Amino acid sequence: TQLLEQSPQFLSIQEGENLTVYCNSSSVFSSLQWYRQEPGEGPVLLVTVVTGGEVKKLKRLTFQFGDARKDSSLHITAAQPGDTGLYLCAGAIQGGGKLIFGQGTELSVKP
Amino acid sequence: GAGVSQSPRYKVAKRGQDVALRCDPISGHVSLFWYQQALGQGPEFLTYFQNEAQLDKSGLPSDRFFAERPEGSVSTLKIQRTQQEDSAVYLCASSPFEGWSPLHFGNGTRLTVT
Repeated sequence: TQLLEQSPQFLSIQEGENLTVYCNSSSVFSSLQWYRQEPGEGPVLLVTVVTGGEVKKLKRLTFQFGDARKDSSLHITAAQPGDTGLYLCAGAIQGGGKLIFGQGTELSVKP
Repeated sequence: GAGVSQSPRYKVAKRGQDVALRCDPISGHVSLFWYQQALGQGPEFLTYFQNEAQLDKSGLPSDRFFAERPEGSVSTLKIQRTQQEDSAVYLCASSPFEGWSPLHFGNGTRLTVT
């Protein structure tokens, strides 16, 4: 049973396009993180959101945490080939010590 | 470097062999996590240590999997009698605080069971 569902699983776009990746759950999370992973490397943290409705921006990336803290989205504006990679959302269940990951979104940005 | 170090980087084992995967966390980090990642998928939680105490091992898939962190620093994940379904990348992550945040991942050990 996947606690965190990411969509789409695969995304192939042209340089300059915009895209949104979604992360949904029926569970409430105390916080949610987004990671980016390149082949042969471990995931690298992009952002942590903790408050329902919170929006954080990181250059061309915009992250949003749902009001009910059950879902999140990642929006990339004017994608570049360097954005290519596996994007992972991960949620911390309230009172729990571990981080649960979604299955990932494989993004390919073609020049 | 001061990152999380995992060894070996690649491991090929014949079915039935035992393997040991090592994780050197960032010095002073309290928490240590092991995750299993299949190709193109998200990491799946295996186990969590706070210092030397194993607080959660609910993700270990069978009793063939065993993890330890005897002195609260280096950790070893051992898999006995490896099976083909054990083939995956095993990721180690550490955190300076109790629990998950922020997590610093190593580059993983890719295990292939033939």
